[in-house]
Parts: sequence; C-alpha cells; structure tokens
Amino acid sequence: SQQGEEDPQALSIQEGENATMNCSYKTSINNLQWYRQNSGRGLVHLILIRSNEREKHSGRLRVTLDTSKKSSSLLITASRAADTASYFCATDSGGSYIPTFGRGTSLIVHP
Amino acid sequence: DTAVSQTPKYLVTQMGNDKSIKCEQNLGHDTMYWYKQDSKKFLKIMFSYNNKELIINETVPNRFSPKSPDKAHLNLHINSLELGDSAVYFCASSQFGRAVGANVLTFGAGSRLTVL
Repeated sequence: SQQGEEDPQALSIQEGENATMNCSYKTSINNLQWYRQNSGRGLVHLILIRSNEREKHSGRLRVTLDTSKKSSSLLITASRAADTASYFCATDSGGSYIPTFGRGTSLIVHP
Repeated sequence: DTAVSQTPKYLVTQMGNDKSIKCEQNLGHDTMYWYKQDSKKFLKIMFSYNNKELIINETVPNRFSPKSPDKAHLNLHINSLELGDSAVYFCASSQFGRAVGANVLTFGAGSRLTVL
C-alpha cells in the first residue's frame, strides 16, 4: 500500500541554490530511504535513515527524519545541473521491510 | 558489468497478446522485486521473491505471473494485455542486511511496455 508522499511535486531552481523536498508517511516505519531517478533510467539509492535516527549526511545531501510528524526532508546543497532528476522517498514498516514508494519530486536545476 | 539487467527495454504490442519481461541480477542478492511505474511516476510494488519463494503479492490481476527459476532471475509474464498495462516495469534486487535492518534496492533500467 502507498506510504510516502513527496512534496512538492515539482521544483525548479537555479544552479548553486539549495533544494529541499519533503516526504510524509502515514504509519510507523522501520526505515526511510531516498532514491534518485534520472530521466529514462532506474532508481538509484541515495541515503537510508532508520527510525531511531534524526539526521544523516552524505556529501551534499542532508536527510532529516521527524517520526512525531511522520515526515522527512531531503536537502541538496549547492545544486548542480546534474542534480536534475526525480527524487523518491521509500518507507518500510512492520516485518516485511519491503520499501514502498511515492510519486516523487521532479527537480530541475537550471544552469 | 550490469548489476540488474532486464530485457527487453522497450516492448510495443497489441491488446490481448501475451508478453514476458526477463530480469537477472549478478549481485548475489536473495530478494528480487517487480515494481510498476505509471505515467504519473507513481511506483508501486507488484511482487517480491526471497530465495525463489513469493513473499509479497500486492493487488495485481492474476494475468500477471512472476516466475523465479533461481534466485538470480525473476521473470514477469503478462497474459491478455490491456491498455492499462502500459507502464514502465522495474526489476530490483536486495540483500536484507540484519545489521542494517533494511532492504536497499538496486534497480534495473526499466522495461517500457506500450499496449496498443
């Protein structure tokens, strides 16, 4: 069943600016992951954050998790044109640990 | 060397036909998946197999039948294709990490199915 919902659906920024995308979900989770999908390609894993973690960093990526609000955010700092892609959050819950995805946020970074 | 490969990449066919999409992973993962991505980019889990055994089967018409001959392969066969089956189908694999407590997915490039 559908879990994560990304917001906004689309985001357009200039190179060098920061991009923030949000993900909200409905039920308690084990983990939350962010993936990137370039046009016409498969999804690529970016970062995983566990339910007992609040913040994680990976290069220019910063992910936060607020389990009380059932939400997460992905911040891409100093964006580049190559960051243009769709970004998906995926959550898993209960005993299955099967990630379920939302519709993604489409990010366009203008050079 | 492609980690998760699926064929064909594009498939155009008529309503009512039967078609198959093949998927192979060379990562040694024990779990494989099929996801369907619709025109609005919504990505929905269809099936998941762990060591050749079906572990999840979401609400998918029984015209869709997955087959896992071994843990490196998960093929998707679709009977009596309908217009609404047009989508991009993604195969993925993972190895559940007890230490991490999560499935991190490696995706194939996708197979775009168009039903006319």
